[in-house]
This record gives sequence, C-alpha cells and structure tokens, in this order.
Amino acid sequence: QQQVKQSPQSLIVQKGGISIINCAYENTAFDYFPWYQQFPGKGPALLIAIRPDVSEKKEGRFTISFNKSAKQFSLHIMDSQPGDSATYFCAASEGKLIFGQGTTLQVKP
Amino acid sequence: DAGITQSPRHKVTETGTPVTLRCHQTENHRYMYWYRQDPGHGLRLIHYSYGVKDTDKGEVSDGYSVSRSKTEDFLLTLESATSSQTSVYFCAISWENEQQFFGPGTRLTVL
Repeated sequence: QQQVKQSPQSLIVQKGGISIINCAYENTAFDYFPWYQQFPGKGPALLIAIRPDVSEKKEGRFTISFNKSAKQFSLHIMDSQPGDSATYFCAASEGKLIFGQGTTLQVKP
Repeated sequence: DAGITQSPRHKVTETGTPVTLRCHQTENHRYMYWYRQDPGHGLRLIHYSYGVKDTDKGEVSDGYSVSRSKTEDFLLTLESATSSQTSVYFCAISWENEQQFFGPGTRLTVL
C-alpha cells in the first residue's frame, strides 16, 4: 500500500532548465509535506517543507506547489544546476513520515 | 549531519547472526528513528523512539528490535539476520516529531 506516490523515477534536465517532481498522497490526515535531497553516500537532508494551508512555498530556486483538493504536491527547481544532481524524496507526515520512492535527477552541463 | 553518528558505517555478516547498529546524537532531541533504504522503496520506518525506554513499531518492524536506555543512543538489533535485511540503514532525530535530521547511514550486507 503506497501512501505517497512519486514520479518520475528519474529525470534528466539541461543546465538552466526547470526540474519538476510530482507526488500524490491518499491520506487526508497528512499535515506536513517535506522534500529531502540526498547525495550519493550521504543521508537525506531537508530541502523545503509545506503545510496544507499554504498553496506555494519558495526558498531560493526551490518551490513547492501544493494542491489540497487533488492531493498532490510538487517540487520545482528553477535554473537547475549540475550541483542539484541528486536523489529527491517527497514525504508526508501524520506524526510519522511516509516517503515517496525517490527521483534521481541528473542536470547536464 | 546535525550531530548524529552511526556505527558501524559498513558491515558484512552471515545469515543467522545477530547484528546491532548504533545511533548516537549530541543534540538532545527527543525523537529518534530507524529507517531502511532500498531501491524503489524510498525510506521505510522500522522503529522509532519518543523518549528513553519509549519505543514503537514502524512500517517494517518484523525481524528488528530497538532499545533506548539513554537520550543520546538508539540501538537497532537484527536478532537473526537474513539476506532480505541487506540494506542501507539510516538513523534520524527530531525535536518535535516533524523536521527530521538524518545520519550518514550504515550499509549492511547479509550473505
């Protein structure tokens, strides 16, 4: 039972382009939606997070868009850079975090 | 890694042997978690702790036990390791059970 579904599994973007990763959830009790970034050999690190009372949150080049009625949220990386190449995980929480399957992003120079 | 260490960082063991992984924090966070990470599954919660000697099961707890006798240490034990427990294990900590900080991980191989 996959409570948080993430897509795509992998993504290749040219430098300067926009990277978009999508997540969908089922449990309407989720009240906290973070995104984590993970580099090879490292633990995940919190990138940005949003609560369901807000439709968008922006931090630098990273933006979360949240659609409560559709039960979907997405991460947008503007002006993608090779240093953004990593695996990204969405998650949803109702006290405990449920993670999506992950998206491997490659930004080509 | 937010004052979190995991030991060992790498371990190879044989099927049927007991294995204990250690997570140590210097942040005095109340909550501690153990996850496993496998390709195609993201991170899945094994067990978590909300205080000394207070623990609860996560999504994939079968075959694992935990103990927390001190605020700073959270141990994960595989009582009799199986090949299906080959994985990368991450410890995480949190002050308020939301924003979690992850350790560097332990790569475990069960032969």
